[in-house]
Amino acid sequence: IAGITQAPTSQILAAGRRMTLRCTQDMRHNAMYWYRQDLGLGLRLIHYSNTAGTTGKGEVPDGYSVSRANTDDFPLTLASAVPSQTSVYFCASSDSGTSMNEQFFGPGTRLTVL
Amino acid sequence: GQNIDQPTEMTATEGAIVQINCTYQTSGFNGLFWYQQHAGEAPTFLSYNVLDGLEEKGRFSSFLSRSKGYSYLLLKELQMKDSASYLCAVTDSNYQLIWGAGTKLIIKP
Repeated sequence: IAGITQAPTSQILAAGRRMTLRCTQDMRHNAMYWYRQDLGLGLRLIHYSNTAGTTGKGEVPDGYSVSRANTDDFPLTLASAVPSQTSVYFCASSDSGTSMNEQFFGPGTRLTVL
Repeated sequence: GQNIDQPTEMTATEGAIVQINCTYQTSGFNGLFWYQQHAGEAPTFLSYNVLDGLEEKGRFSSFLSRSKGYSYLLLKELQMKDSASYLCAVTDSNYQLIWGAGTKLIIKP
């Protein structure tokens, strides 16, 4: 049972480069989420998707884009990375995004932008 | 605005009891979660409260008072493996989770 996988585990990236963080879940969950976690701050929602084919903006969406072509995959793209995007990124999923549901988290991607 | 407050760090002794508090102000309320996060790892679910009162699950209990915008997580018979950050999160009116910054719990022998 894999649950949620993320790739890469970590990455060092030059500013201005494009980067896609991958997220795949095998639980057939409808909703998926991307968060960033920075020291001293709570998890902040970047983008979410309540079902395949739909996406929405979270608290901090600027500089990021997502797509949800199918149920399992929810990639996060940084079009032109900046140092302030240095963070740990967590992908999560839940059975539903429109009712109370526990969110399950992937192992995270540690991204450093220089 | 939306706000979740919890202490930044707490220290407790192995075998003891510790209570981690969380206060919140959010646009709507559809439940409160507690998650545990060990250093370098992903958050994992501990508990969920939507009605006032105490929910007990083994060594861990969680309490909610909606009228006071207050919750606590109670950890009994502390073990060294309980050293972790504990995250409080509230589900708002749009069913999005609003997260506190987390409480780092240090257990000393």
